[in-house]
Amino acid sequence: IAGITQAPTSQILAAGRRMTLRCTQDMRHNAMYWYRQDLGLGLRLIHYSNTAGTTGKGEVPDGYSVSRANTDDFPLTLASAVPSQTSVYFCASSDIYDRPGGYTFGSGTRLTVV
Amino acid sequence: SQQGEEDPQALSIQEGENATMNCSYKTSINNLQWYRQNSGRGLVHLILIRSNEREKHSGRLRVTLDTSKKSSSLLITASRAADTASYFCAKERLSPGRRALTFGSGTRLQVQP
Repeated sequence: IAGITQAPTSQILAAGRRMTLRCTQDMRHNAMYWYRQDLGLGLRLIHYSNTAGTTGKGEVPDGYSVSRANTDDFPLTLASAVPSQTSVYFCASSDIYDRPGGYTFGSGTRLTVV
Repeated sequence: SQQGEEDPQALSIQEGENATMNCSYKTSINNLQWYRQNSGRGLVHLILIRSNEREKHSGRLRVTLDTSKKSSSLLITASRAADTASYFCAKERLSPGRRALTFGSGTRLQVQP
């Protein structure tokens, strides 16, 4: 089934630890995104990538890094986790050219930093 | 900062009734999209309306867009218990080689059977 796969589904992480959230899409979409969702705040963009080899900062990039080595994968890394990074993280993808349609979202990773 | 807000924050109705959710935004947009999120799941795209469109339908969904008032509404007709979810509007601005989608805080819809 075409879509986005995120891993892990959930994780409890000790503060100060490094963690990489994985995201893979099989739709050959140009663009990929990482959002975090917190209660009452909707989704906020962390980082994005318009095409393989390029990345950009979103609204809340501090404490996170991304890479886009190929079209399909867009991992999100927390170098040294802090409790304020407790959130649900969603990866998404979209086609970037011509007739823009909706974004496709993964099922999310629920991260708790203790 | 959040680009626009949804109203109401929560809505509870009986099955068969219509549900209306509103969304406002602050800056110019190229299109506005509505998404549904079931509890504990990812977001699912429902409908996209472009800035030069005023109304769009998809099944039991009707979306309107008023660019002069910078607002949109989502109407779900003949609601069902399965429509229970959070609904988000997302505003998009397009620039060369880039899409930028900004979400509101959502409306939680509860449809009582």
